[in-house]
Amino acid sequence: SAVISQKPSRDICQRGTSLTIQCQVDSQVTMMFWYRQQPGQSLTLIATANQGSEATYESGFVIDKFPISRPNLTFSTLTVSNMSPEDSSIYLCSVRQQGIEQFFGPGTRLTVL
Amino acid sequence: AQSVTQPDIHITVSEGASLELRCNYSYGATPYLFWYVQSPGQGLQLLLKYFSGDTLVQGIKGFEAEFKRSQSSFNLRKPSVHWSDAAEYFCAVGALLPGAGSYQLTFGKGTKLSVIP
Repeated sequence: SAVISQKPSRDICQRGTSLTIQCQVDSQVTMMFWYRQQPGQSLTLIATANQGSEATYESGFVIDKFPISRPNLTFSTLTVSNMSPEDSSIYLCSVRQQGIEQFFGPGTRLTVL
Repeated sequence: AQSVTQPDIHITVSEGASLELRCNYSYGATPYLFWYVQSPGQGLQLLLKYFSGDTLVQGIKGFEAEFKRSQSSFNLRKPSVHWSDAAEYFCAVGALLPGAGSYQLTFGKGTKLSVIP
């Protein structure tokens, strides 16, 4: 299985600021994803991070709010822009290697004041 | 569109007792099915998966799950629960994306398991 690390593990931010979350994988992976888990809720897919091209966003999520980069097959970033308290969530990076299994990083716990 | 229902929001069992967590899915074809566990303050760990073949699948930590097509269910079981099993459990269905040769995961809302020593 892939080993996934995320930075930061948690942060407390002020309204109106932006935070960039990093996701690093210990091996090259085909697909990388970003999920949001709001307090007490399940996981919602934000976008699929495509290497060398724009991310593919799910309904309800837009690039201006959640810009994503994926410069290579082992790294991606998610930025949460112009934050509001409603953005307080856990943000999870996830990867899929050859085959079907999908693995998740430890998450970034974001609190917006 | 696919969906996953986990009817039990919170379950409490005594240590050593058996466990069954329910999961029902809605999907028009044979799904890929997964169970993940999330311990407090942690990310998600894959417990087991079903793609095809034997409908009873074994996972890590002594868990197993059975795919029942007629009931659209994929319930998770463990014969004897340990205190360290206290966590949140998520069932997920992987639905194939048309023309993409890939699938998208849809998660249930989760079941929180508490274990009484």
